[in-house]
Amino acid sequence: DQQVKQNSPSLSVQEGRISILNCDYTNSMFDYFLWYKKYPAEGPTFLISISSIKDKNEDGRFTVFLNKSAKHLSLHIVPSQPGDSAVYFCAASRDTGKLIFGQGTTLQVKP
Amino acid sequence: EAGVAQSPRYKIIEKRQSVAFWCNPISGHATLYWYQQILGQGPKLLIQFQNNGVVDDSQLPKDRFSAERLKGVDSTLKIQPAKLEDSAVYLCASSYLSGQGHGYTFGSGTRLTVV
Repeated sequence: DQQVKQNSPSLSVQEGRISILNCDYTNSMFDYFLWYKKYPAEGPTFLISISSIKDKNEDGRFTVFLNKSAKHLSLHIVPSQPGDSAVYFCAASRDTGKLIFGQGTTLQVKP
Repeated sequence: EAGVAQSPRYKIIEKRQSVAFWCNPISGHATLYWYQQILGQGPKLLIQFQNNGVVDDSQLPKDRFSAERLKGVDSTLKIQPAKLEDSAVYLCASSYLSGQGHGYTFGSGTRLTVV
């Protein structure tokens, strides 16, 4: 039962363009959503989050959009930089702190 | 602030052997998590501690996996006996508070290969 899904295993974009990573979830009880970035041989690092009472949260080049009716969230990176190349995980939680992760999307930003 | 420390970084064992992983969370973080990340998948929670008490171990294979967090600080995760399907990266994470809205800090993980 995959409650959080990232259907695109990989994404390649040109430096300076926008990267859009997508995530779908099935459990309407989730009330907080997070994005993590992971480099090889390192643990995931927290990137940005959004509460279910909002539909947008912005932090510098990173913006997360939440569409509750569609049970869909997306991460926009503008402009994309080569250092953004990594695996991106979306995750969802309820009030216990337990995170349910998607499978991850590998982003490659080409110079 | 020092990060979450994990050891060893890598471990190769034969099936049916036992193995143990160690985690030292960020000082003051009451909540500690162990996640298993199989190649090509997202991390999956094995066990969550609040101080030295277990909050959630519903996905921990208790016939072979065990974990403890003595004195509410360091934690160890043990597998005995190991199976081939236990090959994965084992990630430890900690947070100041439990509940949504608090991004974890993850350690670099222990990569286990069972042959």
